[in-house]
Amino acid sequence: EAGVTQSPTHLIKTRGQQATLRCSPISGHTSVYWYQQALGLGLQFLLWYDEGEERNRGNFPPRFSGRQFPNYSSELNVNALELEDSALYLCASSLGPGKEQYFGPGTRLTVT
Amino acid sequence: GENVEQHPSTLSVQEGDSAVIKCTYSDSASNYFPWYKQELGKRPQLIIDIRSNVGEKKDQRIAVTLNKTAKHFSLHITETQPEDSAVYFCAASDQTGANNLFFGTGTRLTVIP
Repeated sequence: EAGVTQSPTHLIKTRGQQATLRCSPISGHTSVYWYQQALGLGLQFLLWYDEGEERNRGNFPPRFSGRQFPNYSSELNVNALELEDSALYLCASSLGPGKEQYFGPGTRLTVT
Repeated sequence: GENVEQHPSTLSVQEGDSAVIKCTYSDSASNYFPWYKQELGKRPQLIIDIRSNVGEKKDQRIAVTLNKTAKHFSLHITETQPEDSAVYFCAASDQTGANNLFFGTGTRLTVIP
């Protein structure tokens, strides 16, 4: 069984640009979560999607947004990039609300 | 919102010894407590979890205990091996409403051969 996949592996952008990160969940999983892991810090919850709907979002500004597609894959968009957005962005998926979350390998975003 | 604190931030043990990592949480509604292991440059891997209807769960050399009254839970690793060296994260979730995980800040475990 394939695990959670994310693309790209690395992404380099400059301040003010937009970044798009992609996530494909484990087959059969309907929930997708996005977390930010900044260097030296723990994982911070960003967004949760289930069945195509945004169910919850963490304490991040509106320029962090996303969506979930009918095949349950998901995109995270970060607009007006700032230097402090540089981090590892991890996607996780689960069979649904209340089920175990499994993480992808992450996308390392660097903003210069 | 939920606040999860994790201690210690770093832990070094001799191979074969035991390691204990402790976490506290603030939201009494939290009822699911997973532990993740993250090796350098790799994704977090779920290693064990516990739900609030049990006080202890064991899987080979790994065990987790939960004290709901005191709002703390712990990870115990016995007979540590060098491959146990990694960063370990605890997390808490209410699993019914928000469903997102609130993570501790991590413990870097080093097992010295």
